[in-house]
Amino acid sequence: KAGVTQTPRYLIKTRGQQVTLSCSPISGHRSVSWYQQTPGQGLQFLFEYFSETQRNKGNFPGRFSGRQFSNSRSEMNVSTLELGDSALYLCASRLSQENYNEQFFGPGTRLTVL
Amino acid sequence: AQSVTQLGSHVSVSEGALVLLRCNYSSSVPPYLFWYVQYPNQGLQLLLKYTTGATLVKGINGFEAEFKKSETSFHLTKPSAHMSDAAEYFCAVIRLGTGFQKLVFGTGTRLLVSP
Repeated sequence: KAGVTQTPRYLIKTRGQQVTLSCSPISGHRSVSWYQQTPGQGLQFLFEYFSETQRNKGNFPGRFSGRQFSNSRSEMNVSTLELGDSALYLCASRLSQENYNEQFFGPGTRLTVL
Repeated sequence: AQSVTQLGSHVSVSEGALVLLRCNYSSSVPPYLFWYVQYPNQGLQLLLKYTTGATLVKGINGFEAEFKKSETSFHLTKPSAHMSDAAEYFCAVIRLGTGFQKLVFGTGTRLLVSP
């Protein structure tokens, strides 16, 4: 079974632009979470989606948004990019939203903002 | 609020030596605890997890961790380091809510293995 895939793997943007990152979960997984990883702040939770609905959101400004499609694929969007948005963005999928079940991580998208 | 603290941003060992990476947690409820490994330019891979039951947890690649409630610790160990163990390791605790879960990570420990 294929793992979590994220596209693109690398991205370079300039300040003020917007960007969309994509995540395809493991087949059959219905929940997708996003995390941001930076040297200064470490790994931080962005949001979780299940059944096309945002279930939980981390402490990030409104410039960070996401959505989930009916096939469970998810996208996250960052508008008006700032230098501090340079990070590795990790997506993770899990089977369902019931109780605890293991999250599986993708390889990430490395975003560089110039 | 649940959180984890990793002691030491870098740990250096020689190949064949004991690996010990420290993690302490703070939680008002019985925690679910995890260790993840991240190799360069890759995502996170689950090494092992503690949810309930046996406090000594064995994971992949010869790693194990022991949940010690009295010490609020979940340290990661491996008897003999291998060059391929060089990576960054993250301890994490999970926050569970109605219909959601999120991982709260420590700051990470980079393990360096010398020949």
